[in-house]
Amino acid sequence: KAGVTQTPRYLIKTRGQQVTLSCSPISGHRSVSWYQQTPGQGLQFLFEYFSETQRNKGNFPGRFSGRQFSNSRSEMNVSTLELGDSALYLCASSLGEGRYNEQFFGPGTRLTVL
Amino acid sequence: AQSVAQPEDQVNVAEGNPLTVKCTYSVSGNPYLFWYVQYPNRGLQFLLKYITGDNLVKGSYGFEAEFNKSQTSFHLKKPSALVSDSALYFCAVRDMRLGSGNTGKLIFGQGTTLQVKP
Repeated sequence: KAGVTQTPRYLIKTRGQQVTLSCSPISGHRSVSWYQQTPGQGLQFLFEYFSETQRNKGNFPGRFSGRQFSNSRSEMNVSTLELGDSALYLCASSLGEGRYNEQFFGPGTRLTVL
Repeated sequence: AQSVAQPEDQVNVAEGNPLTVKCTYSVSGNPYLFWYVQYPNRGLQFLLKYITGDNLVKGSYGFEAEFNKSQTSFHLKKPSALVSDSALYFCAVRDMRLGSGNTGKLIFGQGTTLQVKP
C-alpha cells in the first residue's frame, strides 16, 4: 500500500506570496492532519480534517487554511507569506478519527520563504 | 496543560549497547502515548504506541517502551543499538483536553537526537 504522499517536496517563495501544499493520504484513511516543523518551535499542530470537516485547529493565524476533498486528499494554503513561515510541513493520515489511531506521516514539503 | 518533555537533546551510545531515550508527559486523564523516528529529509515514522494494557510496549525495529504511570514517563528502549538507529526521536501525547473532541491531534516533545557510534 502506498504511503502518504505530499507535493511538491520543495518550494521557494517570496514574502507576500501565497502557497498551496497537497497531501494524499494512505488509501482508505479518512483523517488528515497537518503539522509545521521548525528548528525553533519543533512540531506544531496546524489542523485536522475528517470526512471533509475540520475537526481541530492549532494556534496559527488565519493566513493558514486547509480543506479536505471527498476522496480524503487535503490541501493547505498559506497566504501573505512571511519569512517565519519557512518550515517543513508534514501531513499525516490515520484510518479513522480519534485518539487511538496512530498517524502515518508523509515526507513533508520544505517551504523556504525569501 | 498537556505537554511532553524530552529532557535530553542528544543521546550518544556505542553500537551493541542498550539505549534509552527519555520522555515524560503531563496530561489530564489517561495518556495515549506515541514514539516516532525521523531520518534526515524524511517524515516521521511510527514506532509504537501505548493506549492501555501492558506497561511494556513492543514496536518496530526492535524498539520497546515502558509506560510508568507513577513517574509519568514513557521511555524508549532498545537492547542493542545499531548505527542505523541514529536519527531524531519524538515522543508525543494525544491531546485530551476538555473540548478537544475525538481528535487525533498530537502534542510532540522537542525531540532527541540519537547518535550510535560504531
